[in-house]
Amino acid sequence: KAGVTQTPRYLIKTRGQQVTLSCSPISGHRSVSWYQQTPGQGLQFLFEYFSETQRNKGNFPGRFSGRQFSNSRSEMNVSTLELGDSALYLCASSPSTGSSGNTIYFGEGSWLTVV
Amino acid sequence: SQQGEEDPQALSIQEGENATMNCSYKTSINNLQWYRQNSGRGLVHLILIRSNEREKHSGRLRVTLDTSKKSSSLLITASRAADTASYFCATVYAGNMLTFGGGTRLMVKP
Repeated sequence: KAGVTQTPRYLIKTRGQQVTLSCSPISGHRSVSWYQQTPGQGLQFLFEYFSETQRNKGNFPGRFSGRQFSNSRSEMNVSTLELGDSALYLCASSPSTGSSGNTIYFGEGSWLTVV
Repeated sequence: SQQGEEDPQALSIQEGENATMNCSYKTSINNLQWYRQNSGRGLVHLILIRSNEREKHSGRLRVTLDTSKKSSSLLITASRAADTASYFCATVYAGNMLTFGGGTRLMVKP
């Protein structure tokens, strides 16, 4: 069974541009979450989607947005990029949401550098 | 902000020794999950322990959970050089929203 797949793995963008990152969850998983990892702030939750609906949202500005498609694939978008958005963006998937025993699996991440 | 703290922040041991990492958190949880991250890579899931469980084992890994103290520990027995990585605990208290600690950087010297 294929794991969580994220594309692209590496990208460089210029301040002010926007970026879209893609995530394909493990087959059969309906919950997709996104995380940002930086040296200063560590691993921080961005948002979670389940059945195309945003279920939870972290404390990030509105420039960060996401969506989930009917096949459970997800995208996140960051508009008006800032230097501080440089980070490893990690996608995670899980079979369902809201229970006490969901193992959450991560992809390899997308490295974003903003210059 | 991170919910938990991990202790120690860094740990250096010799191959064959045991490594113990601790994690504390602040609020009631549904479950707690431990992950490993090699430099620049994604997170690899190690163990999930539910709030009503006290101990779980997986191969050379042993995780304990003390909900009264809001703490967990990860023990890696007979460490190998390949165990060199950062280890994170993450708590779940709503949906699938993970709240991570700062991690422990483990170095296992051959």
